[in-house]
Amino acid sequence: KAGVTQTPRYLIKTRGQQVTLSCSPISGHRSVSWYQQTPGQGLQFLFEYFSETQRNKGNFPGRFSGRQFSNSRSEMNVSTLELGDSALYLCASSFQGLETQYFGPGTRLLVL
Amino acid sequence: AQTVTQSQPEMSVQEAETVTLSCTYDTSESDYYLFWYKQPPSRQMILVIRQEAYKQQNATENRFSVNFQKAAKSFSLKISDSQLGDAAMYFCAYKSGGGADGLTFGKGTHLIIQP
Repeated sequence: KAGVTQTPRYLIKTRGQQVTLSCSPISGHRSVSWYQQTPGQGLQFLFEYFSETQRNKGNFPGRFSGRQFSNSRSEMNVSTLELGDSALYLCASSFQGLETQYFGPGTRLLVL
Repeated sequence: AQTVTQSQPEMSVQEAETVTLSCTYDTSESDYYLFWYKQPPSRQMILVIRQEAYKQQNATENRFSVNFQKAAKSFSLKISDSQLGDAAMYFCAYKSGGGADGLTFGKGTHLIIQP
């Protein structure tokens, strides 16, 4: 099976812009979770989607949002970008969200 | 809220030797999972090993094994016959068994393999 894929792999934006990141889970996996990784805060959970519904959300402002499509692909959106949003954004998939999560290669976002 | 603590920011081991990475966690739940993930310089997060809390037997995957002490809330990773390709950041992670909570990660341990 193909692994989790994320696009784009690298992104440079300026403050105030918005960005959309995409994640395609492993075939058959219906749960997609998103994480932010920064040197200061480490790995932090953003949100989890299952069957097009957000089931859980981490402690992030409303500028961070996401959605999931009927084919289980997921997108996350960050509006009004801030310098502190520069990070590696990781997507992970699992069969139903209760099991082991498998990660994609990540999207590196740099906000200037 | 659950917390995961990795007290060793960096560890160094000679190639072919054995090294143990420490992890402790805090939870009031009885149903949960523990994981070790490896993140090499490519930044791809790779699953190393998984342990279900209800299982008393320690998980093993080839050269990787864990020492799961549930009462002490300790979950250490032992790497035997260390190889150069084992060099990476290692993250201990906790997941509640009851719902759709995300993974809670420790801060990581940077493992250096000396040739």
